[in-house]
Amino acid sequence: EAGVAQSPRYKIIEKRQSVAFWCNPISGHATLYWYQQILGQGPKLLIQFQNNGVVDDSQLPKDRFSAERLKGVDSTLKIQPAKLEDSAVYLCASSLDPPGTQYFGPGTRLLVL
Amino acid sequence: AQTVTQSQPEMSVQEAETVTLSCTYDTSESDYYLFWYKQPPSRQMILVIRQEAYKQQNATENRFSVNFQKAAKSFSLKISDSQLGDAAMYFCALRGTNAGKSTFGDGTTLTVKP
Repeated sequence: EAGVAQSPRYKIIEKRQSVAFWCNPISGHATLYWYQQILGQGPKLLIQFQNNGVVDDSQLPKDRFSAERLKGVDSTLKIQPAKLEDSAVYLCASSLDPPGTQYFGPGTRLLVL
Repeated sequence: AQTVTQSQPEMSVQEAETVTLSCTYDTSESDYYLFWYKQPPSRQMILVIRQEAYKQQNATENRFSVNFQKAAKSFSLKISDSQLGDAAMYFCALRGTNAGKSTFGDGTTLTVKP
């Protein structure tokens, strides 16, 4: 069974630029999560989708971050404009349903200069 | 609101010995799940063990076991017969059953000495 796929794996941009990350969850998983993991900290949930609807985006900085999950499968997370403090690893995870075990992708490491 | 606290930023253990990682949590939900995840350096986060809060019996997975104390809101991970491959960052996580929102602790870095 294929795992959670993410791309790109690494991205370096300058502040005020925009960037987008892509996630393809495990086939059949209805719930998709985006986390931000700053170096030395645990993952922080940015947004949670159930199919193509948003369940929780309370910690998403909506003035600069946006996410969508069209057709309830793939998802993209966008940052526009990026700030230095956005430097982090962005993790995507999926589960069959909300209480189910989450499976994580390899993450996208973002460096904002 | 949910909180997860891991009070040990770093731990070390001698190969073949036993180590216990601590985790305390707080939640207003009556039903929830607790997890331990392992994140090796520059590698993917993987599930180590999972505990349903309604189950009194502590979960075990081979060399990994938990000590779940619901009243004390404590959820520690015991690694027996430690191996070099166990070296990683370990995260404790809490997930409520209502909306499934997850909260992670800040992790414990485990070093295994040969």
